[in-house]
Amino acid sequence: GESVGLHLPTLSVQEGDNSIINCAYSNSASDYFIWYKQESGKGPQFIIDIRSNMDKRQGQRVTVLLNKTVKHLSLQIAATQPGDSAVYFCAENYKLSFGAGTTVTVRA
Amino acid sequence: GAGVSQSPSNKVTEKGKDVELRCDPISGHTALYWYRQSLGQGLEFLIYFQGNSAPDKSGLPSDRFSAERTGGSVSTLTIQRTQQEDSAVYLCASSLRTKNTGELFFGEGSRLTVL
Repeated sequence: GESVGLHLPTLSVQEGDNSIINCAYSNSASDYFIWYKQESGKGPQFIIDIRSNMDKRQGQRVTVLLNKTVKHLSLQIAATQPGDSAVYFCAENYKLSFGAGTTVTVRA
Repeated sequence: GAGVSQSPSNKVTEKGKDVELRCDPISGHTALYWYRQSLGQGLEFLIYFQGNSAPDKSGLPSDRFSAERTGGSVSTLTIQRTQQEDSAVYLCASSLRTKNTGELFFGEGSRLTVL
């Protein structure tokens, strides 16, 4: 069946290092993807999105990479900061549920 | 308001009672979603409203759950005869686009605890 999942449930990162969060999807018809960040006690917030006609999109300290061949996308966070500690979700268009997310913990 | 507003932020109730959770979406957003998030879990889709179309109720876990959206704006999620397994954070989101084709704006959620 269709699924959007994250490869690892947790990620521990040293402050200042780069983080990479991975996500796999199974619906080859998906053409729009979003990354959300959820801090403790808050609702998810939009980080960045990408359409299938792109392989890469950059934002402020974040980059999303899309590999349609293997149906995989990743979120890269440069110079990870304590404020980046959160749960990260990937979402694909037309699929209304989200996976369990990856919990990123930044070590000082 | 500037964002999606949900109330109450916290609700403690006794098993068997009915509860109502409210969502005020961003003005002008035609799409409205309800999700449930249990502790440490992902977002479980419950129901989706789009304009005047019939809602997508495919995610509602049982007939104890229902939702309305009056006037295309405010939405109320009702849980009847609450059970302990209903304890979770209920998140509402709104969007300008249809069926998760654009950014969802989430509220802070309503934390429900059923004793």
